[in-house]
Amino acid sequence: KAGVTQTPRYLIKTRGQQVTLSCSPISGHRSVSWYQQTPGQGLQFLFEYFSETQRNKGNFPGRFSGRQFSNSRSEMNVSTLELGDSALYLCASSWGQPNTEAFFGQGTRLTVV
Amino acid sequence: AQTVTQSQPEMSVQEAETVTLSCTYDTSESDYYLFWYKQPPSRQMILVIRQEAYKQQNATENRFSVNFQKAAKSFSLKISDSQLGDAAMYFCAYRDTDKLIFGTGTRLQVFP
Repeated sequence: KAGVTQTPRYLIKTRGQQVTLSCSPISGHRSVSWYQQTPGQGLQFLFEYFSETQRNKGNFPGRFSGRQFSNSRSEMNVSTLELGDSALYLCASSWGQPNTEAFFGQGTRLTVV
Repeated sequence: AQTVTQSQPEMSVQEAETVTLSCTYDTSESDYYLFWYKQPPSRQMILVIRQEAYKQQNATENRFSVNFQKAAKSFSLKISDSQLGDAAMYFCAYRDTDKLIFGTGTRLQVFP
């Protein structure tokens, strides 16, 4: 059974550009969550999608957005990149109930220069 | 709001010895789920163990076990017979409906 797949693994972007990250969940999982990991702020929740609907959103500016497709694959987009957006972006998938584990992908390392 | 605190930024252990990583949390809920995740240098978060708050019995997964003290809101991870491959960042996490709230992590070093 394939795990959570995130693409690309590494990205270098320039300030002001936009970026799209992709996440393919474990087959059958309908929930996809996104987290940002930085040395200063640690792991912070961005948003969660379940069956194409955003159920929850963290405290991030509107430049961060996401969506989920009918096959449960998810994308997150960051517009007008800032240096502070440099981080490891982790995607996690689960069945979507509180009592189920979240399984993580290997992350996308975004560097903004 | 729920919070998770890991007060040990770094810990070290000798191979084959036992080490305990601490975690405390704050919540007003009575039913919830707690997790320990491991993040090796590869950066992928790996689930180590989970605990349901309604279960009094402490969870165990091979060499990993937890000491769950609900009244004290404490959730520590014990690693027995430590191995070099256990070296990693360990994160304690609280499941709040649709999201995980993580602690700041404990870096575990394992010495041969």
